[in-house]
Amino acid sequence: QKEVEQNSGPLSVPEGAIASLNCTYSDRGSQSFFWYRQYSGKSPELIMSIYSNGDKEDGRFTAQLNKASQYVSLLIRDSQPSDSATYLCAVSATNKLIFGTGTLLAVQP
Amino acid sequence: NAGVTQTPKFQVLKTGQSMTLQCAQDMNHNSMYWYRQDPGMGLRLIYYSASEGTTDKGEVPNGYNVSRLNKREFSLRLESAAPSQTSVYFCASSLSTTGGGQPQHFGDGTRLSIL
Repeated sequence: QKEVEQNSGPLSVPEGAIASLNCTYSDRGSQSFFWYRQYSGKSPELIMSIYSNGDKEDGRFTAQLNKASQYVSLLIRDSQPSDSATYLCAVSATNKLIFGTGTLLAVQP
Repeated sequence: NAGVTQTPKFQVLKTGQSMTLQCAQDMNHNSMYWYRQDPGMGLRLIYYSASEGTTDKGEVPNGYNVSRLNKREFSLRLESAAPSQTSVYFCASSLSTTGGGQPQHFGDGTRLSIL
């Protein structure tokens, strides 16, 4: 079992829809959770962090954390073609940050 | 306002050759990181440095050495390149003083091919 798992996609959504990206992790001691966006051929960009159970909103992005079920998700409202990218989930436990392999999101105009 | 600058952007090496990847940041960040990214493997930490003069191994340190020359610069050296080291290498930095935190800013990457 991978430490951080994401569906590789592609996840295809129409413009204006809500995109839902999911991530599960294996270490129950994980404390910090992050989402990075990576455009094709570019470097990752930190877009969200969440540390406690529940929702955290930042503009069109909402991160959701459920430690009991060991999953973290990222919702993107009113998806735009410019949101098309690979989204990387990263989970931190015991001073170690582990990245998932990413989900490719394609927003169709 | 350059952020994190990596050189070179592209490099082709022959097996057994050596080279150094350079990285510099101008954000006065404490921690710096070297990652490699391979298809289907995600980002994997090679080495990190929480402060000038200190370095620690990450997930995949074998075949690499690093130097934290000063607060700004963190270099990655391949002493004897192997085809398995063909990858995209990213340098990153963060304000963290422990080095184990999340990278906040990434460089543009170095695309390295070893024949």
